[in-house]
Parts: sequence; structure tokens; C-alpha cells
Amino acid sequence: EPEVTQTPSHQVTQMGQEVILRCVPISNHLYFYWYRQILGQKVEFLVSFYNNEISEKSEIFDDQFSVERPDGSNFTLKIRSTKLEDSAMYFCASSEGTAMGTEAFFGQGTRLTVV
Amino acid sequence: QKEVEQNSGPLSVPEGAIASLNCTYSDRGSQSFFWYRQYSGKSPELIMSIYSNGDKEDGRFTAQLNKASQYVSLLIRDSQPSDSATYLCAVENFNKFYFGSGTKLNVKP
Repeated sequence: EPEVTQTPSHQVTQMGQEVILRCVPISNHLYFYWYRQILGQKVEFLVSFYNNEISEKSEIFDDQFSVERPDGSNFTLKIRSTKLEDSAMYFCASSEGTAMGTEAFFGQGTRLTVV
Repeated sequence: QKEVEQNSGPLSVPEGAIASLNCTYSDRGSQSFFWYRQYSGKSPELIMSIYSNGDKEDGRFTAQLNKASQYVSLLIRDSQPSDSATYLCAVENFNKFYFGSGTKLNVKP
């Protein structure tokens, strides 16, 4: 069964460093997403990506963040100059993006720890 | 502001009972509605989707949607200890998904 895959599963980084989180969405899906979940809190929308550009972003997704689809399969989230409060689970998701009934499927997540 | 509201729980039910989980949403333009299950430390797993008013059944799960009341619910029949998890309600509007904070369900053996 097709699935969304994310790497790495766990990333530890020093404050101020840049990290890149990687995702391979399901191959026939058109919409890609990044979500964040701080420990014990809700799943928060960061950004959606369609047709090689950002379609919507939340107020969390400021200039510190960027997304890219560098090739036909990968979808990346870059966090520049990481802060302690960036520590969270980061989930990638993808959906077919049909007019009705589009379901989002999640990867297993990357646990980012900023120290 | 698109709000999705859920009672955080925990909701405790005995094994074999029916668990009832509720969700309300603020955006009347929302088009699709989903229930995800999330075990601690894991990613959300899609268990049900519903797009039109009424009930939709899938095994032990029944999703109910009332767009006029902006209300979605999930019933879990014959609850099992393995159903113990946090259940996330998600609402989709033009390919953007918004999540509630989740209801923690505890099924006691």
C-alpha cells in the first residue's frame, strides 16, 4: 500500500542551526502538506503546496521556514536558525486533491529536538 | 479563523461499550470531514471520512455529519482496549485540513 515516508525519524540539532526535513509523498498525489505537533498539543497546519508553489501557509510559517520540491519525488521543509520552541513532531501529508473527498495521509513524522 | 472543537477528555468506557466522540466546526464552507486516530508518539491514521449529511458505517465505526449544526461525530461500537488513543477530528476546505485538539479515549478491560 502506498505511503508517505519521512526522513529522518529523529533529528537533534543545536539552536541556530539549519535543518532539512524530507518527505516522499504518495506518487499520484498532488497536494503536499507540513504539519507540526508540539508535545501534548494539537496538530497545527504549517503549509500546503500544489503545482510547485505554496498554496496556503499559516502564521506559524514565517521567514524561518521554506518548502521545496527539488525533484519529482521529494518534498522538503527547511527550518533556518532553529529555536528551542521549534522542537516538535513534524508531519508530512499528501492528498490526491480531487474536487470532492480528498483524504490526507500522513507520514510517520520527524521528531525534531533543538538543544 | 477556522475552528475545530473537540472535548479533550479523557473519555473512559468499559470494553464492549459504545464510545461517542463529538466535534464541531466553525467554517460553513467546509467540504469534507475526517476522523483520525493517533496513538501516543505516532502519526495520525485516517479511520473514517464523511462528505454528506447522515451516517456512514465502516465496521465498528460510524461517522455522523450534520452540516446545518456544523457537527460531526464518531461512534465506536464494541470498544476494545486497542481503541485507546486520541481521536482527531479534521475538516477540509479547498484542500486545506484543520484539526481539532483531539479527544483522548480510554477503553478499560
